[in-house]
Amino acid sequence: SQQGEEDPQALSIQEGENATMNCSYKTSINNLQWYRQNSGRGLVHLILIRSNEREKHSGRLRVTLDTSKKSSSLLITASRAADTASYFCATDAIGNSNDYKLSFGAGTTVTVRA
Amino acid sequence: DAGVIQSPRHEVTEMGQEVTLRCKPISGHNSLFWYRQTMMRGLELLIYFNNNVPIDDSGMPEDRFSAKMPNASFSTLKIQPSEPRDSAVYFCASSVVSQPQHFGDGTRLSIL
Repeated sequence: SQQGEEDPQALSIQEGENATMNCSYKTSINNLQWYRQNSGRGLVHLILIRSNEREKHSGRLRVTLDTSKKSSSLLITASRAADTASYFCATDAIGNSNDYKLSFGAGTTVTVRA
Repeated sequence: DAGVIQSPRHEVTEMGQEVTLRCKPISGHNSLFWYRQTMMRGLELLIYFNNNVPIDDSGMPEDRFSAKMPNASFSTLKIQPSEPRDSAVYFCASSVVSQPQHFGDGTRLSIL
């Protein structure tokens, strides 16, 4: 089942603009991860934020996490054509310490126009 | 590091045939995951292994699907008999337990 739900489903922006996408989830988590998928390729891990963290940066990426609202956002600053991809959030649920599976959302498709 | 290697990249076969998808995880990773991705259902976890042992196969759609991991460097996902609704992209991913997952580039399966 998909715990994470991304919003919007699709986003089209001009090169140089910022792109923001959101993820909401249902159950308590250990951490939340964001992945990118280029067309015809597998998912690539971008960033992981733990449940006790509120914000994390990696290059042009900024992730926030609000556990009280069960939501996260991914901001891509100064977008480039190469950022065109689908972006997925993934969560692991608090529970069995031997259960490390992730639940992925449906993804946000980002198109960066040159 | 070669990353996760999946084969074949594309498979086209007729319904009723047996299909075997293969995965070589990253050396040293002790968790392996099989996913299926479709437009309608998104990315679904089918089964995952820790230290070659199946931990959760609740996502396997039906008995026609089976997965094995005979050793730390190889896993297979088998569909027998295949049906048109099995058409999808199948991904294998590996990780060190609880760490981010590394995905292969998938097998695009078309069942005619």
